[in-house]
Parts: sequence; structure tokens; C-alpha cells
Amino acid sequence: DAGVIQSPRHEVTEMGQEVTLRCKPISGHDYLFWYRQTMMRGLELLIYFNNNVPIDDSGMPEDRFSAKMPNASFSTLKIQPSEPRDSAVYFCASSPLGQGRFRRQPQHFGDGTRLSIL
Amino acid sequence: SQQGEEDPQALSIQEGENATMNCSYKTSINNLQWYRQNSGRGLVHLILIRSNEREKHSGRLRVTLDTSKKSSSLLITASRAADTASYFCATDAVVNTGANSKLTFGKGITLSVRP
Repeated sequence: DAGVIQSPRHEVTEMGQEVTLRCKPISGHDYLFWYRQTMMRGLELLIYFNNNVPIDDSGMPEDRFSAKMPNASFSTLKIQPSEPRDSAVYFCASSPLGQGRFRRQPQHFGDGTRLSIL
Repeated sequence: SQQGEEDPQALSIQEGENATMNCSYKTSINNLQWYRQNSGRGLVHLILIRSNEREKHSGRLRVTLDTSKKSSSLLITASRAADTASYFCATDAVVNTGANSKLTFGKGITLSVRP
């Protein structure tokens, strides 16, 4: 089990540039989540997908942020144009759908992308 | 506001001692989960306790849940230097109707275990 894979691990870019973060969930997992972590706000859920369909994007800060999941093994989070306040660590997580009373399953996190916008 | 609020914010103990961390939440839950985060890494799931459970054990971890007080505690017994990390509680609120919908995380507790 390779775990959730995120790329790049670090990204430094200038404000105004487009940023694309990538995630490969664990094979067979039905759910994919994008989070942002900062010291001030902690860990915030941005959006999550079920079977490649966005279910809840209420955490997406503004229209500059967009996320896609074109297939079960790949998702992107895009920021265009980027701003210094977008600097944070962005995590992707995935989870399976359990059965019966064990439907709700824990989430498996990648090691994140540390994004710095200058 | 955060659903889960951990207490204390930081904890420093000697190796071999027990570490107790608390989490309070506001709304009714399906389950409560504890995660650990090592510096520069992603969160790792430790234990999940369902709303109809009161206590759960996993190795050196013991989790309790008091739904009447809307609180949970995580006990790490015989701590080791390798337990040094941030610990987060996460709640799965009853209002979440999806099978695996969103968790709300607290801001975490920083645990330092001195060798």
C-alpha cells in the first residue's frame, strides 16, 4: 500500500502565478478530501469528492480555488491567481466506504504540499 | 468555530510518564477520531470511537467518550520520545448525512516527551 501521494512536496512561487497541487489517493478508496493547514486556522476542509463527484465545496475560500477529480486515481487543486495569504500546507486524504455499522471509516493523509506564495 | 477543542494546547512530560489529552465538542456526533501528526508529515489515524461506545483501547492508547459532557480523552501510557507529535481530535457530526462525510478537526495538542 503506497499511501496517498501528493506532489509537489514544496512549492514556492510569486503571487499571481497559477499553482496546481496533485494527489493520488489510495486505490479503491471512494472518498477524497482536500484540506489546508495553517497555524492561525488549523486544519480546514476545502472540498471532498465521492466517486469522483464533488460533494461539498463549501470550504473553498473563493473562486480562485478550484478542484477536479477526472478519475478515481487522480485529483488536482488549483489556485489561480495565487496570493501570499494562500501560503499553507495543503493535504489530500482518502478513505474507503465501509459496510454496515462500519460505513464511516478513518481518513488516510498524504504528507502534504508546503506552499509559499511570495 | 472549531467543533473539537483540545486541551491542553501543549504538554511536556518525561519518558515513561502517561500523557492525557482532552477534547470537547459542541454538537452530536456519529464518532470521534484521534489523529497524530509528526513534524512535516501528514496526519495518521490512531483510533475511532463511536457514539455508542464509552472506552476503547489500542496498544498503549486508551480513549474515552462521554457524550453527555460532549468530551473525549486520549491517554498514552508509558510514553516514549517517539510519541512526540501533535495530536488532533476530529468529530463526525450527526448532521453529516453522507456515509463518509466531513470531519471537523481541532487545532491540536503539541506533546513533547523528554528522553
